[in-house]
Formats: sequence, C-alpha cells, structure tokens
Amino acid sequence: EAGVTQSPTHLIKTRGQQATLRCSPISGHTSVYWYQQALGLGLQFLLWYDEGEERNRGNFPPRFSGRQFPNYSSELNVNALELEDSALYLCASSRSGRNYNEQFFGPGTRLTVL
Amino acid sequence: RKEVEQDPGPFNVPEGATVAFNCTYSNSASQSFFWYRQDCRKEPKLLMSVYSSGNEDGRFTAQLNRASQYISLLIRDSKLSDSATYLCVVNLNTGGFKTIFGAGTRLFVKA
Repeated sequence: EAGVTQSPTHLIKTRGQQATLRCSPISGHTSVYWYQQALGLGLQFLLWYDEGEERNRGNFPPRFSGRQFPNYSSELNVNALELEDSALYLCASSRSGRNYNEQFFGPGTRLTVL
Repeated sequence: RKEVEQDPGPFNVPEGATVAFNCTYSNSASQSFFWYRQDCRKEPKLLMSVYSSGNEDGRFTAQLNRASQYISLLIRDSKLSDSATYLCVVNLNTGGFKTIFGAGTRLFVKA
C-alpha cells in the first residue's frame, strides 16, 4: 500500500512570493492534515480537511490556506512568504477524522524562504 | 501552560536499559492518544496508540491515566535503533477537532 506522498521535496522561494505544496493521502483515507515544523521546534497544527471541507485550522494567519480535491488530495498555499515561514511542512492522512484515527505522515516538503 | 508537555530530554542510556517517557495533557476533552517517533530530519512515524487499559507491543508499553491526564511510554531492552525523538500526541475536540503534538523527548541509546 502506497504511503502519503508530498511534492515537491524541497522548495526555495523569496520573501513575498507564494508557495504551493501538494499532498496525496493513503488510499481510503479521507482526512488530510497539514503541520509546520520549524527547525528545532515541535509540530504545529495548520489545517485539517475532511471529505473536501476545511474542518479546523490552527493559529496561523489567513495567508496560510489550502483545499482538498474530490480525490482527497490536498494542497497548501502560503501567500506573501516571510522568512519565518521556512520550515518542514508535513502532511498526514487518516480515515475520517471524526473518529480520531491514527495519522500517517508523508516525508514532508522543506520550504526555504530567502 | 502547554497543552501537551513531555519530559525534557535528552535521555542518554546504554543498550539494554529500560527507559520511561512521561507526558501530561491539560485538556480533559482529549479523546485519543498516541506515541510517534521521529528520526532526525524525517517525518514522524506512528509507534502505538494508547488505550486506557494499557497496551504493549514487543518491547514497548504505553499507559494512559485519564484521571491524572498522564501518558507514559516504557521501552525495555533498548536498542541502538531506538535512538530518536519520541512525540506524545493528543487528539481533542473543543468545538473542532485538533491534534496537539508534544515537543518531543530525545533518546540516545549508546553501545
């Protein structure tokens, strides 16, 4: 069974640009979660999508947004990039999030903002 | 106070040792609990879910105490390959489902 996949692996942008990160969940999983992990820090919850809808978001500004497609894949958009947005962005998937199931992570996209 | 707090690391132990990690959570609306491990510059990998009755998977034992809002992970007969950061994870529903990760405890197992 294929795991969670993310693309690109690495992304380099300059301040003020926009970044788009993509995630494909495990087959059969309908929930997708996005996290930010800055260097040396813990995972911070960004967004949760389930069945195509945004169900919850963490304490991040509105320039962090995303969507989930009918095939349950998801993309995360970060607008007006700032230097402190440099981090590892991890996507996880689970069966429907309503039952608090285990989350399985992709390898992440490392975003560097110059 | 952080919503999920873990023992500060790092833990440095010799091979074969038994090591215990503790985690406390502040929100009584917490619904489900997990331990993950994360190797350097890699994604977190699910180690085990944590149930009220306690559960064991080989050398690993997890316990949950809802009354004290406390989770533990015990690793017996430590191996070099156990060296990693161990993350305590709590799912809760406070008007919206949310996953909270602890900051992690770093474990170094030495030969």
